[in-house]
Amino acid sequence: ETGVTQTPRHLVMGMTNKKSLKCEQHLGHNAMYWYKQSAKKPLELMFVYNFKEQTENNSVPSRFSPECPNSSHLFLHLHTLQPEDSALYLCASSQEQGTEQFFGPGTRLTVL
Amino acid sequence: GESVGLHLPTLSVQEGDNSIINCAYSNSASDYFIWYKQESGKGPQFIIDIRSNMDKRQGQRVTVLLNKTVKHLSLQIAATQPGDSAVYFCAENWSTGFQKLVFGTGTRLLVSP
Repeated sequence: ETGVTQTPRHLVMGMTNKKSLKCEQHLGHNAMYWYKQSAKKPLELMFVYNFKEQTENNSVPSRFSPECPNSSHLFLHLHTLQPEDSALYLCASSQEQGTEQFFGPGTRLTVL
Repeated sequence: GESVGLHLPTLSVQEGDNSIINCAYSNSASDYFIWYKQESGKGPQFIIDIRSNMDKRQGQRVTVLLNKTVKHLSLQIAATQPGDSAVYFCAENWSTGFQKLVFGTGTRLLVSP
């Protein structure tokens, strides 16, 4: 266990659904990240939060909406997704930006 | 239609052999590098890291070598075991103005008994 948990581990949703992915870190870290890992591309950084402030949105479509209510929790709200959004969504945390990142197990998302 | 997956280079070795996984990074200003291991169904797991002011770092059964001249990183695994079978990623920390990790495509290591 890395100290980063993600729920749910698997999610199947239709294109009109709204769902949320949750990430929690128990490491006392200040930075949290969302990544997308698909079969067609390398690991892609989506969002970065540092001390609860969003510091990067890596050109992610607005149908993905992150939320960071505190330094231990990170959410990814999903709505009107497309089948090409099916992927493994990984959350990570680090003490600060530029240091080792610890990953959660990921949420396997399938969009029908 | 048929989906085309990302083609990962694959390294196949026998148990007990030494393995060397290579990575070319892109940003000459990157100051920090990490090797991750990802097993099937799991998130990437930290193996070893190295800062740009070093050219070699050793861990338990693993060694990372950094050649900044040619922007090359390698991971050496000694006495490879079946449990080492996984996809290995290198990541570089882009520190130009904003720090973020950029990952390589990964190499699949297959260890046969």
